[in-house]
Amino acid sequence: AAGVIQSPRHLIKEKRETATLKCYPIPRHDTVYWYQQGPGQDPQFLISFYEKMQSDKGSIPDRFSAQQFSDYHSELNMSSLELGDSALYFCASSLVDNEQFFGPGTRLTVL
Amino acid sequence: QKEVEQDPGPLSVPEGAIVSLNCTYSNSAFQYFMWYRQYSRKGPELLMYTYSSGNKEDGRFTAQVDKSSKYISLFIRDSQPSDSATYLCAMKKAAGNKLTFGGGTRVLVKP
Repeated sequence: AAGVIQSPRHLIKEKRETATLKCYPIPRHDTVYWYQQGPGQDPQFLISFYEKMQSDKGSIPDRFSAQQFSDYHSELNMSSLELGDSALYFCASSLVDNEQFFGPGTRLTVL
Repeated sequence: QKEVEQDPGPLSVPEGAIVSLNCTYSNSAFQYFMWYRQYSRKGPELLMYTYSSGNKEDGRFTAQVDKSSKYISLFIRDSQPSDSATYLCAMKKAAGNKLTFGGGTRVLVKP
């Protein structure tokens, strides 16, 4: 079965640079979610979109923004990167607000 | 105090034993309950999804929810070394999309 696709899988950036993470949901899923998982921590909810509209917002820094496009894929844009932004970033998708299926994650390292 | 509490382990069991995991929560607004399995540096994999008190069985996995006690459990029968992973409980309120995770329990199944 098709799963959530995330790209890139690994990303290395310098402080103050920008990064863009992409997420392609499971076919026919209309809701995407972004989570951040720091080392040794559980995933923390950042933001979600349903039918291209923001549906919920968590602890997402103002330096981050996200959107969902007409083909339902989503992008998380991160600016003015800080060392503390180094983490695993997961995208999940669902049909409406049912079970959330997670992607493999993007590992972001900020140097 | 965290909204969802989970013993971090590690929990070490011999192959073939029953693994017993549990989470407690403090907010009665949580209505949907999930268990995820996460291997090191991989995305969380959905194992069980429930929304009512009682038991739900799927293969070797049984999930229990007791809303009156604010307590959920996951049992893994006939455990295998491949079950060695971190198990995360997650909960969602009726309103909103955010999953709130427990801290995860590391499980080690020894051959």
